[in-house]
Amino acid sequence: EVQLVESGGGLVQPGGSLRLSCAASGFTFSDYWMSWVRQAPGKGLQWVALIKEDGSNEYYVDSVKGRFTVSRDNAKNSLYLKMNSLRAEDTAVYYCVRESSRSAASWGQGTLVTVSS
Amino acid sequence: DVVMTQSPLSLPVTLGQPASISCRSGQSLVNSDGNTYLNWFQQRPGQSPRRLIYKVANRDSGVPDRFSGSGSGTDFTLEISRVEAEDVGVYYCMQGTHWPWTFGQGTKVEIK
Repeated sequence: EVQLVESGGGLVQPGGSLRLSCAASGFTFSDYWMSWVRQAPGKGLQWVALIKEDGSNEYYVDSVKGRFTVSRDNAKNSLYLKMNSLRAEDTAVYYCVRESSRSAASWGQGTLVTVSS
Repeated sequence: DVVMTQSPLSLPVTLGQPASISCRSGQSLVNSDGNTYLNWFQQRPGQSPRRLIYKVANRDSGVPDRFSGSGSGTDFTLEISRVEAEDVGVYYCMQGTHWPWTFGQGTKVEIK
């Protein structure tokens, strides 16, 4: 069974940094593109970042480019999202997602990031 | 970015009756590889989203066959043949053809 468990969320001040982690199990992690998708409270879904199986390519939505960095450690079956210069509009639940057919085939339970002073 | 427009945004339905959600994209979702990367997701209250349909009409494993997807180009539809109580939630379409991949605003399905 595919399992994706996010951690690292919390309360951070505007301008601060946070690093999210996702522990994957139940599938061959190194065979899949992985992503982060976020959902602001009471709002819809937004794709944030995408990383290739071997980590050689990364893609970001414009609103986070230059501030967020997605990475992975295939030896540890883990996905990461380093978030810098955080803004109030980055407040959201962040989901770790396994990509398949250019889509979000499997989702974690999410971790809440709150940016507030 | 490709804008995905869903309608209606709210859909009250009677148990056992059919339901239909429309999704339109701002440009064609036909990819250069010939595939159309249009997907549908269900998000039940308090839960993470779950994929129901990928590439327009392919049901994910474990998804009841009362859910079906159709469409082409820029116009797509998710149909529920007979709504059950467990179908309550928000449904999203999502395109994976053009980066950044984008979602519709969501359609809230509730029981009358």
